Amino acid sequence: DTAVSQTPKYLVTQMGNDKSIKCEQNLGHDTMYWYKQDSKKFLKIMFSYNNKELIINETVPNRFSPKSPDKAHLNLHINSLELGDSAVYFCASSPRTSNSGYTFGSGTRLTVV
Amino acid sequence: AQTVTQSQPEMSVQEAETVTLSCTYDTSENNYYLFWYKQPPSRQMILVIRQEAYKQQNATENRFSVNFQKAAKSFSLKISDSQLGDTAMYFCAFMKRNFGNEKLTFGTGTRLTIIP
Repeated sequence: DTAVSQTPKYLVTQMGNDKSIKCEQNLGHDTMYWYKQDSKKFLKIMFSYNNKELIINETVPNRFSPKSPDKAHLNLHINSLELGDSAVYFCASSPRTSNSGYTFGSGTRLTVV
Repeated sequence: AQTVTQSQPEMSVQEAETVTLSCTYDTSENNYYLFWYKQPPSRQMILVIRQEAYKQQNATENRFSVNFQKAAKSFSLKISDSQLGDTAMYFCAFMKRNFGNEKLTFGTGTRLTIIP
């Protein structure tokens, strides 16, 4: 049973398109996150949600909109994709007590052409 | 704001040898957690080891151990008896101790190659 699952694993799309990445966790965690890993492997937080409520919103373009229908799901919708959006996007979750760290999904490699 | 620095972009070591990866961080917080994550070519982020700042004892997990120096804000990872499967990117990460919802701040990573 996959703890944090993301779909799709790979996504190739043209500039200007709109796409979504889905994430689901079956760990019963309260908090979910989206991280972006750029071409140099640097990981940076984008958003976090706790029980469907937006907690962290780093300086991310408005074209990125997270949606959390329930505490087990956190989806990422991206409008008007640009070449610079090409990256690996990781979903993660953590319990209320943060000392155990995150559980990450396997990532979605987004390529914008 | 917290920053995490990994000064070794790449390292390589012979199989069965010991290797130490460096990490320093900057924070004004007194209570926090530190982590090492491994990212093999499969891309999966795997938690290797964690340290709670209020614990003086260094964390160990089988062949993996840390040298946590709180005053120096240093958190190095030692891998003993290195194996081919240890080849991966290794990321040091910092998290404030709070009631959850805290972000992980990552270093830039060290690419470790184990040579057969």
